[in-house]
Amino acid sequence: NAGVTQTPKFQVLKTGQSMTLQCAQDMNHEYMSWYRQDPGMGLRLIHYSVGAGITDQGEVPNGYNVSRSTTEDFPLRLLSAAPSQTSVYFCASSYSVRQETQYFGPGTRLLVL
Amino acid sequence: DQQVKQNSPSLSVQEGRISILNCDYTNSMFDYFLWYKKYPAEGPTFLISISSIKDKNEDGRFTVFLNKSAKHLSLHIVPSQPGDSAVYFCAASGGRDDKIIFGKGTRLHILP
Repeated sequence: NAGVTQTPKFQVLKTGQSMTLQCAQDMNHEYMSWYRQDPGMGLRLIHYSVGAGITDQGEVPNGYNVSRSTTEDFPLRLLSAAPSQTSVYFCASSYSVRQETQYFGPGTRLLVL
Repeated sequence: DQQVKQNSPSLSVQEGRISILNCDYTNSMFDYFLWYKKYPAEGPTFLISISSIKDKNEDGRFTVFLNKSAKHLSLHIVPSQPGDSAVYFCAASGGRDDKIIFGKGTRLHILP
């Protein structure tokens, strides 16, 4: 049982490049979410999904796309990276959003030059 | 608009004493509250939670108190230990949507 895994651990991009941050969980969790952590800003919700085929926007969705074709995977796409997207990104999952504990992945550190 | 507020960016406490971390929320629809602990270069890990039907939940050295009328919760750690030095995040969920909202975090330093 690997829990929540994220790849890559670290990535450097140039402004305008695109990339996908991968997130996978093997706990059969329905609820998955993406957060970014910035100094002094805490964890801010980007997008979330309550099940395969269903996604919705969080607090800071602009510049990011998500899809949920399977229960296990929840990739986060940056279509045209900007320096403001330099951050640490965390993926999390839980059985549901209602009264449940989320399990977090180890994070992806992204630097956009 | 910040729905979950942790107004103390940092806190220093002597080892063995009580650490009290505070959290305020503005959304009256929130009905479930969690505390997470985060070490550098790791993902947050769950610490303790409380439902709005309770006003206190205890787990070992950790106790969370909820004051619904004041929209305030606090995390008490007794006694504080060196391994408790970390960033603590308060989070809340509830209402019509399925979002879990986090505060900005409080960095706790346990002094020897």
